Amino acid sequence: DGGITQSPKYLFRKEGQNVTLSCEQNLNHDAMYWYRQDPGQGLRLIYYSQIVNDFQKGDIAEGYSVSREKKESFPLTVTSAQKNPTAFYLCASSEATMNTEAFFGQGTRLTVV
Amino acid sequence: AQSVTQLGSHVSVSEGALVLLRCNYSSSVPPYLFWYVQYPNQGLQLLLKYTTGATLVKGINGFEAEFKKSETSFHLTKPSAHMSDAAEYFCAVSGQAAGNKLTFGGGTRVLVKP
Repeated sequence: DGGITQSPKYLFRKEGQNVTLSCEQNLNHDAMYWYRQDPGQGLRLIYYSQIVNDFQKGDIAEGYSVSREKKESFPLTVTSAQKNPTAFYLCASSEATMNTEAFFGQGTRLTVV
Repeated sequence: AQSVTQLGSHVSVSEGALVLLRCNYSSSVPPYLFWYVQYPNQGLQLLLKYTTGATLVKGINGFEAEFKKSETSFHLTKPSAHMSDAAEYFCAVSGQAAGNKLTFGGGTRVLVKP
């Protein structure tokens, strides 16, 4: 089945640690995205990539980093510089045209302990 | 710049009653508009989208939405609510002004009463 796989589903991080969230897609999509979801705030864009080896900052990129070395993979690292990382993180992919919908993974819930 | 406003963060409806979720957008160019649904602790699933052509679009699960350019609106409706419609709903917009990025509204959580 084609789709987007995020792992892990739940992740716990200690203060000061970096953690990496995985996102893999087999839809052959060029574009991939990371969103952060907090209650009552909708989805906010962290980073996006429209082609391999290229990515751009979204609205809330501070404290996060990404890479896009392969078309099917777009991992997100939450660094210790992110002051409030507890949230639900969603990865999505789409064809690189504006009128196509994004397909979402099942999300990773990150909690700082 | 583009933005999306969803009126009402929570909506409560009785089973069998009309569901109406409001979405207004701002965009400097003709927009592409989407409605997504999210069940607890899951990703988002596309309900329907408007790109060009017919302004009344039909989606899955009996939902439909109408694009009204003069009102910059894209409200979502379903004639008769079902218990399984309890979820959070997001309106989103994309367009040439912002590349291929989706901008989401704050979401509306729907509660269905028996």
